[in-house]
Amino acid sequence: DGGITQSPKYLFRKEGQNVTLSCEQNLNHDAMYWYRQDPGQGLRLIYYSQIVNDFQKGDIAEGYSVSREKKESFPLTVTSAQKNPTAFYLCASQSSYGAYEQYFGPGTRLTVT
Amino acid sequence: DAKTTQPNSMESNEEEPVHLPCNHSTISGTDYIHWYRQLPSQGPEYVIHGLTSNVNNRMASLAIAEDRKSSTLILHRATLRDAAVYYCILRDYIRNDMRFGAGTRLTVKP
Repeated sequence: DGGITQSPKYLFRKEGQNVTLSCEQNLNHDAMYWYRQDPGQGLRLIYYSQIVNDFQKGDIAEGYSVSREKKESFPLTVTSAQKNPTAFYLCASQSSYGAYEQYFGPGTRLTVT
Repeated sequence: DAKTTQPNSMESNEEEPVHLPCNHSTISGTDYIHWYRQLPSQGPEYVIHGLTSNVNNRMASLAIAEDRKSSTLILHRATLRDAAVYYCILRDYIRNDMRFGAGTRLTVKP
């Protein structure tokens, strides 16, 4: 089945630790995205990548880092510099540059204590 | 960035039509109107999008005002599975990013 996988579904970390969230897609999509969602809120864009080895900051990139070494993979690292990392993280992809539909993964719920 | 305004919540009865409004008075000529919905603890799901003309697909219809300053998502027969948060989003096809608002929480009553 084609789709987007995010792992793990739930993640717990201690404050001060970096953590990397996985996002993999087998849809052969060029563009990939990371969003953050806080309770009762809409999604906010963290980073996006239109092609391999290229990515752009979204609205709330501070305290996060990404890489795009392969077309299928777009991991997100939540660093210790992110002041309030507890949130629901969603990865998405779309076929190419432009206003096409995005496909979302199931999300990773990160809790930092 | 052009913004959208949606009601915080709406209610509908099962098997009745639902009209979800969205205002986007500052829409630009390069903005597409997209609708997504999100069930609890899941990723958003694409519903429909359009530019100027009304659009229909298997999930819903999108009615776009002639001046493009507002649009309405129409679910023809609401089911309990349609209960979700519905987001109206303007997407600039040049910038290739997508910004969500708070959306409309739709409750469907049996």
